[in-house]
Amino acid sequence: ETGVTQTPRHLVMGMTNKKSLKCEQHLGHNAMYWYKQSAKKPLELMFVYSLEERVENNSVPSRFSPECPNSSHLFLHLHTLQPEDSALYLCASSHRTEAYEQYFGPGTRLTVT
Amino acid sequence: AQKVTQAQTEISVVEKEDVTLDCVYETRDTTYYLFWYKQPPSGELVFLIRRNSFDEQNEISGRYSWNFQKSTSSFNFTITASQVVDSAVYFCALSEALNSGYALNFGKGTSLLVTP
Repeated sequence: ETGVTQTPRHLVMGMTNKKSLKCEQHLGHNAMYWYKQSAKKPLELMFVYSLEERVENNSVPSRFSPECPNSSHLFLHLHTLQPEDSALYLCASSHRTEAYEQYFGPGTRLTVT
Repeated sequence: AQKVTQAQTEISVVEKEDVTLDCVYETRDTTYYLFWYKQPPSGELVFLIRRNSFDEQNEISGRYSWNFQKSTSSFNFTITASQVVDSAVYFCALSEALNSGYALNFGKGTSLLVTP
């Protein structure tokens, strides 16, 4: 595997379900990000992890819970979501110390029913 | 507050035409970075270019060129002799320094359609 991978690519879940999104980067980066892309808004930063420590959460609702067990893996745990949470969730990684370009995964298309 | 404006929501051109995508930004930082990304229908954001605020030289990469004008806070992107494969949504982004590291503030994107 190369670059940034995300699983699953598509997910349909009910409002009472619990699911997790997974992201893995194979680039040797030490910062990882979750973004949300919905039809009505531009790309929104949700969480930033730098050296496995969360540094920003951008006022995201608690029904989204991130986890970064090491610099290569990032999870987004989902529970009791709302239909308006349906969106494309993108993971990205970069070097930490400067504004290097971020490399994105293909995203998970989430539909909440 | 940082802000990126891409005023063109959708552009449609015929193959082989040149097309320019506009990007205007606002920042109070003296050092900052600007980016362009391409998002084809598959969904994955593809990095195209990074430019720092101290480098105002225009850059050309094949059919792609970028015009950075600090005086007008613009970072425009031109595709020469467009092709159908250029059809995608293009995003301009501005770096924002965090407590540790950086994040990207994205514009709303410009959807480019190139028809044969």
